[in-house]
Amino acid sequence: GAVVSQHPSRVICKSGTSVKIECRSLDFQATTMFWYRQFPKQSLMLMATSNEGSKATYEQGVEKDKFLINHASLTLSTLTVTSAHPEDSSFYICSGGRGQDSNQPQHFGDGTRLSIL
Amino acid sequence: AQSVAQPEDQVNVAEGNPLTVKCTYSVSGNPYLFWYVQYPNRGLQFLLKYITGDNLVKGSYGFEAEFNKSQTSFHLKKPSALVSDSALYFCAVRDRSYGQNFVFGPGTRLSVLP
Repeated sequence: GAVVSQHPSRVICKSGTSVKIECRSLDFQATTMFWYRQFPKQSLMLMATSNEGSKATYEQGVEKDKFLINHASLTLSTLTVTSAHPEDSSFYICSGGRGQDSNQPQHFGDGTRLSIL
Repeated sequence: AQSVAQPEDQVNVAEGNPLTVKCTYSVSGNPYLFWYVQYPNRGLQFLLKYITGDNLVKGSYGFEAEFNKSQTSFHLKKPSALVSDSALYFCAVRDRSYGQNFVFGPGTRLSVLP
């Protein structure tokens, strides 16, 4: 099946640091990727939709200057948490799907656990 | 607007017994429905989907789900639970006319007891 690789799996850093998370589709091209945030014992919250070659679409309440998304190629999307603070600590997950058909499942990365001290 | 409900936060079942994880949905049009499983500190793994056709859908690891349009439900089932099935399960819906965005349910934690 389709594979999405997300890196790093875990980050621990000091407050004020910027952190970049990469999401790669290994065996398919993803024109669209999604970034989610998951709090403990809660569901996934969609943060933004990453579109190859264009600006990301952010969900209401998500600061686009705080969470920078770049989707420069069909196989790579990155999420940069700028000047991270303890409240940004969370589990971040990316996903991508083959093509544009909405009947196709999304394939998820293994997530990145971000801990800001 | 789309929404997904999973009425049970937690489901406990003995190993070897059948299991059911419930899901109901609300969409304005016709839905695409999905089940995913999440193990600790991992992303979501696709289990199965309903697109069209037969209401009973079979998926990975012996799981199946039944689409019931009149009850707007898509319950996940397995005839005989394994301890290794213990995980967090998410139901998700896409409105066919709404593009690729998923709406996830809140999740149900399944514990299979030996």
